[in-house]
Amino acid sequence: EIVLTQSPGTLSLSPGERATLSCRASQSVSSSYLAWYQQKPGQAPRLLIYGTSSRATGIPDRFSGSGSGTDFTLTISGLEPEDFALYYCQHYGSSPRVLTFGGGTKVEIK
Amino acid sequence: EVQLVESGGGLVQPGGSLRLSCADSGFTFSNNYMNWVRQAPGKGLEWVSLIYTGGSTYYADSVKGRFTISRDNSKNTLYLQLNSLRAEDTAVYYCAGGVTRYYLDYWGQGNLVTVSS
Repeated sequence: EIVLTQSPGTLSLSPGERATLSCRASQSVSSSYLAWYQQKPGQAPRLLIYGTSSRATGIPDRFSGSGSGTDFTLTISGLEPEDFALYYCQHYGSSPRVLTFGGGTKVEIK
Repeated sequence: EVQLVESGGGLVQPGGSLRLSCADSGFTFSNNYMNWVRQAPGKGLEWVSLIYTGGSTYYADSVKGRFTISRDNSKNTLYLQLNSLRAEDTAVYYCAGGVTRYYLDYWGQGNLVTVSS
């Protein structure tokens, strides 16, 4: 079963800065099955990126995803105040059929 | 716009049972893959269960044999039956779904289940 490791655990940045979040899989995975979510306190998660690099409906283009194999990245090109939140990567496994989440990265205001 | 409304959470004693419901106001529920995801207080997201459009079901090892996912397409409703509950099952339970089984593109607001004596 795939294990997803996110780093860093916390990212302290200022508005306008670039955020780079990492998600590493314990073995090579299909890029079609890798997604990213944003979660704010007291709210449900929201899909940001699916298939490694496709933005979900309504997601601003400052959010981008990339990667392949075992290493995937979520980049926020210029942090807006509303972007300070928790971010999770997620993988769908076909054998066994399970969904796996990474441990999360918190992006906080410096 | 799709909206998932959850109900059925609350306080239950260890060893007890509970049934969660998730009503989908959209028009495509029967065509969507549906999941339950939980989040223990102050912790990350943990996938619990998935049900395919055709009814096939899958579970995390931590709940296999204790939880049962089901759906009623005529009522646009998803269910999770929780049996033999343990303290470590305490969490906010989210229903979430999508047009594919690969990711979750819409979520409910979450429903707190507390297992405590």
